[in-house]
Amino acid sequence: RKEVEQDPGPFNVPEGATVAFNCTYSNSASQSFFWYRQDCRKEPKLLMSVYSSGNEDGRFTAQLNRASQYISLLIRDSKLSDSATYLCVVNKHSGGSNYKLTFGKGTLLTVNP
Amino acid sequence: DGGITQSPKYLFRKEGQNVTLSCEQNLNHDAMYWYRQDPGQGLRLIYYSQIVNDFQKGDIAEGYSVSREKKESFPLTVTSAQKNPTAFYLCASSIGWGGQPQHFGDGTRLSIL
Repeated sequence: RKEVEQDPGPFNVPEGATVAFNCTYSNSASQSFFWYRQDCRKEPKLLMSVYSSGNEDGRFTAQLNRASQYISLLIRDSKLSDSATYLCVVNKHSGGSNYKLTFGKGTLLTVNP
Repeated sequence: DGGITQSPKYLFRKEGQNVTLSCEQNLNHDAMYWYRQDPGQGLRLIYYSQIVNDFQKGDIAEGYSVSREKKESFPLTVTSAQKNPTAFYLCASSIGWGGQPQHFGDGTRLSIL
């Protein structure tokens, strides 16, 4: 199993649709989780952290399932401006001061008018 | 505005040449990182620095070197030993070490002449 695995897509959805991305991770020692978005030929930008209890920021909802080792991102009422690649990021603490942030390859979303 | 500045945006390297990519941050962050991103790939960690005057190899350090003489600055040198340097290079920083979310500069695209 890859450290962090995402469905590469692409996801093509109409404006106003609800879309969900899943991400699985292999190491149960993983401790913190994030979703980033990356526009074409731009840098990744932090979208939201993912908390154990799940969290919501406007149209975006992130959830964590530690037992099944996956995180999800739900986007409601999709806008054209949501078109981007969404990166799942997992942080693992492997003892002492050893932390490793691992990035998934990303899921491409295109929202169509 | 606080942020991370990378320069140049585009860089061309001749065979056998070393080139240096600049990364400066005014966020007062302790930790800094260098990644490379190839098309269709996730970000791969080249080097990281937890604190000034300290740095460690990441997953793909061969052919690269860094320094961290000032808290604000973390330049990356791509040496002639790096045989496949064409990529999108991203510098990032985080408040501290230990799984904090990372914030990225807008990247440098390096190509071979």
